[in-house]
Amino acid sequence: DGGITQSPKYLFRKEGQNVTLSCEQNLNHDAMYWYRQDPGQGLRLIYYSQIVNDFQKGDIAEGYSVSREKKESFPLTVTSAQKNPTAFYLCATLGSSSRGYTFGSGTRLTVV
Amino acid sequence: EDQVTQSPEALRLQEGESSSLNCSYTVSGLRGLFWYRQDPGKGPEFLFTLYSAGEEKEKERLKATLTKKESFLHITAPKPEDSATYLCAVQARGGSYIPTFGRGTSLIVHP
Repeated sequence: DGGITQSPKYLFRKEGQNVTLSCEQNLNHDAMYWYRQDPGQGLRLIYYSQIVNDFQKGDIAEGYSVSREKKESFPLTVTSAQKNPTAFYLCATLGSSSRGYTFGSGTRLTVV
Repeated sequence: EDQVTQSPEALRLQEGESSSLNCSYTVSGLRGLFWYRQDPGKGPEFLFTLYSAGEEKEKERLKATLTKKESFLHITAPKPEDSATYLCAVQARGGSYIPTFGRGTSLIVHP
């Protein structure tokens, strides 16, 4: 079955450490997105990529970085510059406009 | 700027007690309005897409309707398994097609 795989499901980051969240899709969708979800704040867009080797900043890109070397993969790195990284991170693709986004199952990142 | 406001923020119902969730929106030309269901600790799952005023879509106990300013998600005779957060998003014509999301309505259905 086609879908989006996010890993790991849970991730713990120490102060000053960079961590990378994985997002892989086999839907053959061109556009991929990273969202951050905090309680009571809804979904906030971090970065998005509409084609391989190209990506754009979203509303809250500071402290994050991405790459898009392959159509299937869109990893997100949470750098030490992100001072409040504890959140639920969602990866999504946008294929047929009739269904909007397809989301992954999410990664919960906690600072320890 | 596109805006989406969902109300209420939280809703508690007894099993079988029908109700509606509201999604008010402003957008510069609506391309589509989406409803998603999100269970705790999981990614949102697609429910419906609505394109034009007057359109309705149904799935089991859920019915989504659309006007020029808002959408309603009607829940008829809900069951405890309908408990989840329901998200609304609008997609504007032109530009990047990135949907704008509301903050969601958290629904709890008590047995």
